[in-house]
Amino acid sequence: QMQLQESGPGPVKPSQTLSLTCSVSGGSISSGGFYWSWIRQFPGMGLEWIGYIYQNGNTYYNPSLKSRLNITIDRSENQFSLKLSSVTAADTAMYYCARDTRGGYSDFWGQGILVTVSS
Amino acid sequence: DIQMTQSPSSLSASVGDRVTITCRASQPISGYLSWYQQKPGKAPKLLIYAASSLHSGVPSRFSGSESGTDFTLTISSLEPGDFATYFCQQSYNTPHTFGQGTKLEIK
Repeated sequence: QMQLQESGPGPVKPSQTLSLTCSVSGGSISSGGFYWSWIRQFPGMGLEWIGYIYQNGNTYYNPSLKSRLNITIDRSENQFSLKLSSVTAADTAMYYCARDTRGGYSDFWGQGILVTVSS
Repeated sequence: DIQMTQSPSSLSASVGDRVTITCRASQPISGYLSWYQQKPGKAPKLLIYAASSLHSGVPSRFSGSESGTDFTLTISSLEPGDFATYFCQQSYNTPHTFGQGTKLEIK
């Protein structure tokens, strides 16, 4: 059974860069046909699609975040990562990683990691 | 961006009831619509994809349908474990966008 697990360094201060990693087990991140995505959920429960990366490194970003966002993939470690720069309190959210099918449906999710942006 | 308008935002129902949740897309999305269930403190779980296809392991009391830009999630007979929040998501265009969610509570 595929499992995804988010990890990160903890609270982030405003203007710093948020860095998260998603470790994938139970399957290869290099398997064709899947996208590896990041989604966040704000304290009021709203969900926002951040972006995803394909195994060949092609990325698709939410235009609202594109100027601050970088998603990368490390096939040797079977993981993918998110970096979001110049964070503000508005970036405080639960961040999830997920596997997306070609149809764009997220069939496996990590448990989520809470990121708080605060000075 | 494609806007997904989900209704109602909350719903009270009893075990055994039939309930319906609706999402309307702001433009045609060719059936690229999924439904997720989320329980407190947990990640969303995929229920329905491609508007009406049941994800593996999901009970058959859950069903989805499509009519133009309107999409419906139906739970035919509520069980205690179904009280949760439900979200729709379109994946026709990036950015993929979600509905606002429907909190299903016990009456």
